[in-house]
Amino acid sequence: NAGVTQTPKFQVLKTGQSMTLQCAQDMNHNSMYWYRQDPGMGLRLIYYSASEGTTDKGEVPNGYNVSRLNKREFSLRLESAAPSQTSVYFCASSESGNNEQFFGPGTRLTVL
Amino acid sequence: GENVEQHPSTLSVQEGDSAVIKCTYSDSASNYFPWYKQELGKRPQLIIDIRSNVGEKKDQRIAVTLNKTAKHFSLHITETQPEDSAVYFCAARGSGGYNKLIFGAGTRLAVHP
Repeated sequence: NAGVTQTPKFQVLKTGQSMTLQCAQDMNHNSMYWYRQDPGMGLRLIYYSASEGTTDKGEVPNGYNVSRLNKREFSLRLESAAPSQTSVYFCASSESGNNEQFFGPGTRLTVL
Repeated sequence: GENVEQHPSTLSVQEGDSAVIKCTYSDSASNYFPWYKQELGKRPQLIIDIRSNVGEKKDQRIAVTLNKTAKHFSLHITETQPEDSAVYFCAARGSGGYNKLIFGAGTRLAVHP
């Protein structure tokens, strides 16, 4: 039982490049989330998916897109990376009606 | 918009002392308040949570109190140990969407032996 996994662990991009961050969970959770963590700003919700087939914007969705591929997988895409998107990205999941969110190990992204 | 303020941003205590971290929230409809601990380079992990129908909850050396009227909640750690050193985040579930958590900016706790 791996919980929530994320790939890659580290990534360096040049401005304008695109990439997709992958997230998968094996806990049969309905809901999944993408956060970014910046120094002094806590965790900010980018997008979330309440259940398979649905996605909604969070606090800071600009510059990102998401895909809920199936119940297990939720990916985050940066179409044209900008230095302001340098951050640590965490994926999380939770059961419907149960509020505890379980986090993945994070992806450290640097955009030059 | 929805907001959670957390204080202090850093806290330094001696081993065995108590530590208190306070948070205030803006959305009066919030009904769930978790606390997460994040060790250096690791993922956030839930340590305790409280729901709006409860005023206080305790789990060994950790307790959380909630004052809905004042819209604030606090984390209390007693008999602190060096392994308590970490960044602690409070959060509140906003009313605007399903299980959306609004996080505070975090408190870096250092426990000195």
